[in-house]
Amino acid sequence: GNSVTQMEGPVTLSEEAFLTINCTYTATGYPSLFWYVQYPGEGLQLLLKATKADDKGSNKGFEATYRKETTSFHLEKGSVQVSDSAVYFCALSDRGYNKLIFGAGTRLAVHP
Amino acid sequence: DTAVSQTPKYLVTQMGNDKSIKCEQNLGHDTMYWYKQDSKKFLKIMFSYNNKELIINETVPNRFSPKSPDKAHLNLHINSLELGDSAVYFCASSPTGVPEAFFGQGTRLTVV
Repeated sequence: GNSVTQMEGPVTLSEEAFLTINCTYTATGYPSLFWYVQYPGEGLQLLLKATKADDKGSNKGFEATYRKETTSFHLEKGSVQVSDSAVYFCALSDRGYNKLIFGAGTRLAVHP
Repeated sequence: DTAVSQTPKYLVTQMGNDKSIKCEQNLGHDTMYWYKQDSKKFLKIMFSYNNKELIINETVPNRFSPKSPDKAHLNLHINSLELGDSAVYFCASSPTGVPEAFFGQGTRLTVV
């Protein structure tokens, strides 16, 4: 079945460091891919998305590229801030079932 | 204006009780969902409704009964609560045919 695998956290970085959170997926067909973010005590917010191969999603300085050949959708940011501290979820949507399948989440902690 | 709202935000109850969580969305979406987030932050879909009709039931115990009185509301009723039901429950919605979902703030259910 479809699945998403994320790198385990926590990821601890200093402010202004470069961030990469790895995400790979297994899916039949051509799913849409997403990154959601969950700040402490809050719900999930859509951070960015990509709906087809080679698409790049970007938002708030974060970006991720849909790589069909490596079945990956890694999240990157050039310079993280303390306010980026949160749990990040990679997800895919199988169009046939209209549901999201999430990875396990990666906690990011950014220190001043 | 809150897009997807859930009540209550926190719910503490004893084993064996019956409780309900309410969800409303004002986005005009046709599809609504319930997701469960366990203590390790893992998110999994429970139910999906489209225009008040059940689309997905992910092998959830029949103690959980969703009810959709109209397409803007999807409530979750849980009978005979068990310790293992303790989790954060998220309601979400999306337009038909659009893969991403918009999430509520979550309801933290604690069964004691």
